Amino acid sequence: EAAVTQSPRNKVTVTGGNVTLSCRQTNSHNYMYWYRQDTGHGLRLIHYSYGAGNLQIGDVPDGYKATRTTQEDFFLLLELASPSQTSLYFCASSEAYEQYFGPGTRLTVL
Amino acid sequence: GQQVQQSPASLVLQEGENAELQCNFSTSLNSMQWFYQRPGGSLVSLFYNPSGTKHSGRLTSTTVIKERRSSLHISSSQTTDSGTYLCALEPGDSNYQLIWGSGTKLIIKP
Repeated sequence: EAAVTQSPRNKVTVTGGNVTLSCRQTNSHNYMYWYRQDTGHGLRLIHYSYGAGNLQIGDVPDGYKATRTTQEDFFLLLELASPSQTSLYFCASSEAYEQYFGPGTRLTVL
Repeated sequence: GQQVQQSPASLVLQEGENAELQCNFSTSLNSMQWFYQRPGGSLVSLFYNPSGTKHSGRLTSTTVIKERRSSLHISSSQTTDSGTYLCALEPGDSNYQLIWGSGTKLIIKP
């Protein structure tokens, strides 16, 4: 009964394509996050939210939109995907300081 | 500048040897988390340790706030310990955002 789930787990698209990554948490946490991880880097924060309808900009937001439709669901949108967005994407949730992570989505943009 | 420096970047040991991984930080902190990242990419939370020492099996985490460092010690390493270890710090002035180290890639040889 994983508390943070992501879908799809793997995705291949072409340059200019639309991609939506989904995240659902059953922790009843207010905070949710989207990160990307690239080789040689730690995780970098794209967007985060502290509740349904709320959206905050992270450190690397360019080329990404996000939407928090409910407390449970947080989506990351790439409307014109580029090869530079090829990465491993993680979603996380938290109530305070400790964050809980999903299994990741590996996205390849050709 | 870099607020979290993780060292070493990579470490190769023989099975049975002990491993010592370090994170040094240049900011005040609310929390420190250590994660293990499997070769496939998924993250496993090891410790949430804002201060002091915590144990879990062969793993020990120590955070010394005054010295601005946190360490992860793995005793009697096993080949299954191979992977990447990441530390993540929540700064004292943050809003539940984490600053990540770039990781230590650990290889345990049989």
